[in-house]
Amino acid sequence: ILNVEQSPQSLHVQEGDSTNFTCSFPSSNFYALHWYRWETAKSPEALFVMTLNGDEKKKGRISATLNTKEGYSYLYIKGSQPEDSATYLCALWRRSGAGSYQLTFGKGTKLSVIP
Amino acid sequence: DAGVTQSPTHLIKTRGQQVTLRCSPKSGHDTVSWYQQALGQGPQFIFQYYEEEERQRGNFPDRFSGHQFPNYSSELNVNALLLGDSALYLCASSLAVGGSYNEQFFGPGTRLTVL
Repeated sequence: ILNVEQSPQSLHVQEGDSTNFTCSFPSSNFYALHWYRWETAKSPEALFVMTLNGDEKKKGRISATLNTKEGYSYLYIKGSQPEDSATYLCALWRRSGAGSYQLTFGKGTKLSVIP
Repeated sequence: DAGVTQSPTHLIKTRGQQVTLRCSPKSGHDTVSWYQQALGQGPQFIFQYYEEEERQRGNFPDRFSGHQFPNYSSELNVNALLLGDSALYLCASSLAVGGSYNEQFFGPGTRLTVL
């Protein structure tokens, strides 16, 4: 059974604080990792796709790192703003057969930024 | 570009009934995947359609079936509804490229409530 675990489950921070969350996953059959940002009543929006051990990606105040050998990824938000309030999902692409891949999601981390 | 659209937005059914959910993919995409997100869980992969055929399937019973039309739109059908089928159903579209994963673009989901 493949488990993608995210922690913490939820998080409340003050505006301006920096924060980070963790996604852990089995490293076997790793192909790629996605981070999604999901605001209430909207569609999940892709933030990053990461494929190589040691990958670091950045988009504005949000960045992510990947360690495929130990099976974890961190998402960092610098100087949180109220508009960062959302659920952050990580999802693991793994090979499920010849030429086929499946996406397995964690349960997400719900971030609330208090003005 | 309207992105991925789903209909209806909300749906209420009773146990034993059948339901059909619809998805129109992002323009230019030819692959549609369906996910179920139960309360407190991450999205779980149901199945994927490409070239009007089911190509991959997650761990869901045969009560869950689908269809893809020549215009790449897709339907998810659930028969003999159970209370446990109450969930948000997400559709995602992508462009198939052999031997690789591709970024999935998600719709806003259909909220199904089974009474």
